[in-house]
Amino acid sequence: AQTVTQSQPEMSVQEAETVTLSCTYDTSESDYYLFWYKQPPSRQMILVIRQEAYKQQNATENRFSVNFQKAAKSFSLKISDSQLGDAAMYFCAYRGSNYQLIWGAGTKLIIKP
Amino acid sequence: NAGVMQNPRHLVRRRGQEARLRCSPMKGHSHVYWYRQLPEEGLKFMVYLQKENIIDESGMPKERFSAEFPKEGPSILRIQQVVRGDSAAYFCASSPLDDGYTFGSGTRLTVV
Repeated sequence: AQTVTQSQPEMSVQEAETVTLSCTYDTSESDYYLFWYKQPPSRQMILVIRQEAYKQQNATENRFSVNFQKAAKSFSLKISDSQLGDAAMYFCAYRGSNYQLIWGAGTKLIIKP
Repeated sequence: NAGVMQNPRHLVRRRGQEARLRCSPMKGHSHVYWYRQLPEEGLKFMVYLQKENIIDESGMPKERFSAEFPKEGPSILRIQQVVRGDSAAYFCASSPLDDGYTFGSGTRLTVV
């Protein structure tokens, strides 16, 4: 069975600095998708970035980028120029041939002004 | 184009009552998924539905829980005879096919 592990329950970063959130996963499949979702206090689950495993190029969305290491089964999220609005819970999720999303336990990101 | 609409936002039920959670998918989306989030945890898959069909309910507890997605109207997650352990946030997501999830804001169920 697939698993997703986020080893950092909480991270803090100074405003305007860069922070990296870690995610590792376990799977025997070769084709799959990986996601980072943001959950602010409003509880809305917001898609931050998505990576297809067959693509070697790391996905980027403005200040958000990933470091996808397929062999190591690692999928970290880098947030550049952190802003107060980035404060939230961040979840890493996996989807393989089964359409179900498998989620990590989340990392709480705190932005220090 | 409105997003995925879930209501109510908050729901309080006494033990033994029934809870009904509603989810209206995005326009054009025919696939609906329900997930449950316990405090301090990620989401756990419950059920996957298409119009008038349950595709996969492997994540649903065998008793007291049921889900439907009728031809007309929202998808309904129904919990009968609620217990304290059912207290959680319940999220609905929809997609046009089996990809590109859009999530609703969730329903927080509190059982007292």
